[in-house]
Amino acid sequence: HSALTQPASVSESRGQSITISCTGSGSDIGAYNFVSWYQLHPGKAPKLLIFAVTKRPSGVSTRFSASRSGNTAFLTISGLQAEDEADYYCSSFTGSDNGFWVFGGGTKLTVL
Amino acid sequence: EVQLVESGGGLVQPGRSLRLSCVVSGFTFDDYAMHWVRQTPEQGLEWVSGISWNSGTTGYADSVKGRFTISRDNAKNSLYLQMTGLRPEDTALYHCVKDHREWDAFHVWGQGTVVTVSP
Repeated sequence: HSALTQPASVSESRGQSITISCTGSGSDIGAYNFVSWYQLHPGKAPKLLIFAVTKRPSGVSTRFSASRSGNTAFLTISGLQAEDEADYYCSSFTGSDNGFWVFGGGTKLTVL
Repeated sequence: EVQLVESGGGLVQPGRSLRLSCVVSGFTFDDYAMHWVRQTPEQGLEWVSGISWNSGTTGYADSVKGRFTISRDNAKNSLYLQMTGLRPEDTALYHCVKDHREWDAFHVWGQGTVVTVSP
């Protein structure tokens, strides 16, 4: 099963908003409500930001939001802060006959 | 506080075996599915394997199917990954991960243990 497609890098200024896309297919993002997003800082364990396409776990800032349109998922970060500079990965369930789970290639966010 | 601590990584020759362990605390282990997810600078994140709370369901990525076996011991709050027939492309940081509910997302991650497969 092919990886989901994310932009390799994005950048935006502090205080602004940015949206990261994650494109899959009708076999993953378009088929299941099990789309999630993760934040990775160097040397730290990955952090779950979004599950079930749009839901935030307890403790995750409301500056992080997500949506889906067809086979593409989106992560939006508003009011960018320096600590948001990190790598972001999307993931989707793909079914037990299709490798179970797939990740995107990751997006490096630079906060200017 | 939820904690997941992996161990068992190391340098191993191609074709050899390795067993990873993960001891957890801070939550009711047998209430949750668990996963192994690996990370490399080149490929990013890759789901490796998952197991349901009662071991009734297991799953594997195509890249490791037939070579890796996931298991758990709920009495010991422990998750395992038996890796055989290791290949250089298995070189990665392996994370033990607590499921969010039941196969819906990767909620809490351990720091990982490094596996290096090289002659």
